[in-house]
Amino acid sequence: GAVVSQHPSWVICKSGTSVKIECRSLDFQATTMFWYRQFPKQSLMLMATSNEGSKATYEQGVEKDKFLINHASLTLSTLTVTSAHPEDSSFYICSAPLQGALSYEQYFGPGTRLTVT
Amino acid sequence: QQQVKQSPQSLIVQKGGISIINCAYENTAFDYFPWYQQFPGKGPALLIAIRPDVSEKKEGRFTISFNKSAKQFSLHIMDSQPGDSATYFCAARMGGSEKLVFGKGMKLTVNP
Repeated sequence: GAVVSQHPSWVICKSGTSVKIECRSLDFQATTMFWYRQFPKQSLMLMATSNEGSKATYEQGVEKDKFLINHASLTLSTLTVTSAHPEDSSFYICSAPLQGALSYEQYFGPGTRLTVT
Repeated sequence: QQQVKQSPQSLIVQKGGISIINCAYENTAFDYFPWYQQFPGKGPALLIAIRPDVSEKKEGRFTISFNKSAKQFSLHIMDSQPGDSATYFCAARMGGSEKLVFGKGMKLTVNP
């Protein structure tokens, strides 16, 4: 299967600071990537759709000014959590779809654990 | 309409047994149904997926059964192993979209 990486795998930051998380598709190009948030023992919650060359699309209830998304190239999307607060502590996961002529698969990154102190 | 309902929430099986996870949906516009396996602290890994024009798909010990008329699909794990202990998520994709809608997940424990 295809590989999606995330960096960093974990990060601790102080309240009020910003933190950037990178998502890369290593062996395929992705015009679209997705960002999810997952709380302990819960399912994945879609936050936004990252679109290469255009603005991200945010799900209802997600603050776009707080969670800045930039799809810089066909293999890189970044999520910046601005002015982080303890309630932003969570597991953030990105995914990228791989569309073939007869196939479709969506691959996930390993996740980034964010802890805001 | 967007929901995918997954059951049971947790399951304990003995090594060598069969694990069965069920999902149901309402929206007939869903056109792709993947299953993901997630270990603690890791991202979900794609296990197997099916489209609604197929009733069954098997890959190794994993089989998806799909019942279009009942709007249900299930994952069967044959000869379950302790290494299969993880959380399993079913999902569905809306036709014309790339977004996935996830079930709530099921924690599987396989006892040695």
